Amino acid sequence: GENVEQHPSTLSVQEGDSAVIKCTYSDSASNYFPWYKQELGKGPQLIIDIRSNVGEKKDQRIAVTLNKTAKHFSLHITETQPEDSAVYFCAAQESGGSNYKLTFGKGTLLTVNP
Amino acid sequence: GAGVSQTPSNKVTEKGKYVELRCDPISGHTALYWYRQSLGQGPEFLIYFQGTGAADDSGLPNDRFFAVRPEGSVSTLKIQRTERGDSAVYLCASSSRMGTSLFFGPGTRLTVL
Repeated sequence: GENVEQHPSTLSVQEGDSAVIKCTYSDSASNYFPWYKQELGKGPQLIIDIRSNVGEKKDQRIAVTLNKTAKHFSLHITETQPEDSAVYFCAAQESGGSNYKLTFGKGTLLTVNP
Repeated sequence: GAGVSQTPSNKVTEKGKYVELRCDPISGHTALYWYRQSLGQGPEFLIYFQGTGAADDSGLPNDRFFAVRPEGSVSTLKIQRTERGDSAVYLCASSSRMGTSLFFGPGTRLTVL
């Protein structure tokens, strides 16, 4: 099955700096890669996603890049704000038939210091 | 509009007891998923419904776990003879159809004493 590795496990930045979180996946047939933000006591919230026919996608301060050859994808947050502090998860969609389950990384705790 | 809702938000039970966790998906979403999240880990897939039928239950850890979605909307995850290792946050997600973005509920925190 699919295996997703995520780094770093914790990341601390100053307000206004950029933050980058990286993930690798093992199944070359995976074709959908979402990113989720999870605040304490809440469920994961989808913040951006990318499909394998696209190399980069941007939504305001958030961008995701995908390198299919290397099987890695990254989340970039610019001009970080304290409210960006949360745990971020990357995920990859397993391929095959009607199976659309996601495999998640272990998460990155992002702390944005004012 | 309303998002995915889950009840109860917290459930404390004793080892060996039976529990039911409920999920109300976003209205009109035909696909429904259950995931389990242990402390410090990412969510792990349990089961996926397309309509009323379980299309993929490969993530259920053993036969103590069972889920239903009798009318294609609300789903119930049932755990028999609970064990301390079942303690986790159980997340439900829905999507408008198979292969589209998943939207998660707030989860049910299950604690087995």
